[in-house]
Amino acid sequence: DADVTQTPRNRITKTGKRIMLECSQTKGHDRMYWYRQDPGLGLRLIYYSFDVKDINKGEISDGYSVSRQAQAKFSLSLESAIPNQTALYFCATSDSGKGLHEQYFGPGTRLTVT
Amino acid sequence: ELKVEQNPLFLSMQEGKNYTIYCNYSTTSDRLYWYRQDPGKSLESLFVLLSNGAVKQEGRLMASLDTKARLSTLHITAAVHDLSATYFCAVDANQAGTALIFGKGTTLSVSS
Repeated sequence: DADVTQTPRNRITKTGKRIMLECSQTKGHDRMYWYRQDPGLGLRLIYYSFDVKDINKGEISDGYSVSRQAQAKFSLSLESAIPNQTALYFCATSDSGKGLHEQYFGPGTRLTVT
Repeated sequence: ELKVEQNPLFLSMQEGKNYTIYCNYSTTSDRLYWYRQDPGKSLESLFVLLSNGAVKQEGRLMASLDTKARLSTLHITAAVHDLSATYFCAVDANQAGTALIFGKGTTLSVSS
């Protein structure tokens, strides 16, 4: 089984709709992240969480919110989706106890807002 | 604001040739990561470089870090088709592993 899973894998929604993307991990890591990837732009950090009670904004948090329901679960919400939020979204995890801070990525969710 | 620039952005290589991908960044950091992404897939960690002069090698890929020059290189030796992918470097902006700033990626195509 995959260590970092994301649901759904693909989603098409309409402008103005609320949508939630979910991420679960079995790696036992304390830190979790949400990124979006746009063609030609690399990945950009949306939010990150050190633990259940510690959530921080990343580079591009406007229009997004997150919830860390448990150490293993981190969800990303778009309260009112707009077309320029069409992108590939990745969840990632890392272990603060290891000095490498290496991040492990989920398979991604392709979101299309029409 | 930390900026990360990769070049080239697109690279077409013949099998058996050598080439280097460059990753320049704008502010001090001594922690840099290289990832590989296959089309439609997730990112796979290749190398973690933690200090000036760090060099890591795996198969036909070798990565190095020069923190004084704010430069990392990913060298490809005797390219093979299986290396075709997009390669990203990411720089740790706050030295705590939480604020990775990614380059735009280098798409490598290896043909025979």
